Amino acid sequence: AQSVTQLDSHVSVSEGTPVLLRCNYSSSYSPSLFWYVQHPNKGLQLLLKYTSAATLVKGINGFEAEFKKSETSFHLTKPSAHMSDAAEYFCVVRITGNQFYFGTGTSLTVIP
Amino acid sequence: DVKVTQSSRYLVKRTGEKVFLECVQDMDHENMFWYRQDPGLGLRLIYFSYDVKMKEKGDIPEGYSVSREKKERFSLILESASTNQTSMYLCASSLSGTGALNTEAFFGQGTRLTVV
Repeated sequence: AQSVTQLDSHVSVSEGTPVLLRCNYSSSYSPSLFWYVQHPNKGLQLLLKYTSAATLVKGINGFEAEFKKSETSFHLTKPSAHMSDAAEYFCVVRITGNQFYFGTGTSLTVIP
Repeated sequence: DVKVTQSSRYLVKRTGEKVFLECVQDMDHENMFWYRQDPGLGLRLIYFSYDVKMKEKGDIPEGYSVSREKKERFSLILESASTNQTSMYLCASSLSGTGALNTEAFFGQGTRLTVV
């Protein structure tokens, strides 16, 4: 069975401080992993993806994520939060050709 | 720009009405998906389709049906809308098969449906 766990439902950070959003997955196979962002009343936008090349993946808007197979983790980070980063973030796993498996999301609040 | 377009951003329907949500993609993707999004529950898969006229149930298909008559269009149908179907509905598409494993899904802007 495959699943995705986002360890925090809500994260609050001050503007200019680092962001860490945590994601763990379980899979019997080598997965592809994605982070998406969703701003209020919008669809999901791809931030970055891991596809078995480099384990440190850089995405848009200064975000990056590191794939750690030993820890089955794919945590999302950003060195310095901006007000525009306030949104919902989803960790997603793709194991087969057809299905995507979503975490329940992490809501990021950025405090001025 | 690649696009997944949902026909409505906001809809208000009455209990018992038959409701159609339409989704069109211009990327020639084999897979299309309908998700429902509710606070604290993330995205839950209602149905997906991997080819024209083909469909598979997702995690919460009850009360819904789908239609895919053309590759680019995937419709979600609420046969008799109920208040517990008030939600955000998201359509997505992707390439299919093991060769597409490292490709992402593309999402529409979502339809916020209110059933009164």
